[in-house]
Amino acid sequence: NAGVTQTPKFRILKIGQSMTLQCTQDMNHNYMYWYRQDPGMGLKLIYYSVGAGITDKGEVPNGYNVSRSTTEDFPLRLELAAPSQTSVYFCASRRGAGTDTQYFGPGTRLTVL
Amino acid sequence: AQSVAQPEDQVNVAEGNPLTVKCTYSVSGNPYLFWYVQYPNRGLQFLLKYITGDNLVKGSYGFEAEFNKSQTSFHLKKPSALVSDSALYFCAVREDNYGQNFVFGPGTRLSVLP
Repeated sequence: NAGVTQTPKFRILKIGQSMTLQCTQDMNHNYMYWYRQDPGMGLKLIYYSVGAGITDKGEVPNGYNVSRSTTEDFPLRLELAAPSQTSVYFCASRRGAGTDTQYFGPGTRLTVL
Repeated sequence: AQSVAQPEDQVNVAEGNPLTVKCTYSVSGNPYLFWYVQYPNRGLQFLLKYITGDNLVKGSYGFEAEFNKSQTSFHLKKPSALVSDSALYFCAVREDNYGQNFVFGPGTRLSVLP
């Protein structure tokens, strides 16, 4: 049971490039989340999903897109990278409604130059 | 709207001494409160949560937290700090049983000095 895995661990992008951050969980969790963590700040929710085929915006969705075609995978897409997207990105999952806690992946450190 | 405050950026404590990391929250409904710990270059790990019931919640690694409704606080405590407890600690709140948004505080860096 690997939990929540994220790839890549690190990435440097040039302004205007695009990339996809991968997130996979093997716990059969319904709910998945993408957060970004900026220095000295708490986590900000980008997008979340309550099940395959269902996604919704969080607090800071601009510049990102997501999809959820399977229960396991929840990729985050950056279409036109900007320096403001330099951050550490965390994926998380939880089983479902109720009082379940979130389980976090190890993070992806993204730098946009 | 939900919000979480962690009034201290940094807490320093000597090994063996008790530690407290403070958290206050603001919600309009019933709060569900969580503490997470983050070690360098790692994701967040769950420590404990308050949902309902006893105001004193016990969690992993000897940590506990006290829910105080009148003061809207959920302070994290440990009777005797270890050097290995040095990390970044996040308080988070979810407003009700069906809300999807977890709101995180900015984090408090705990340094336990040998």
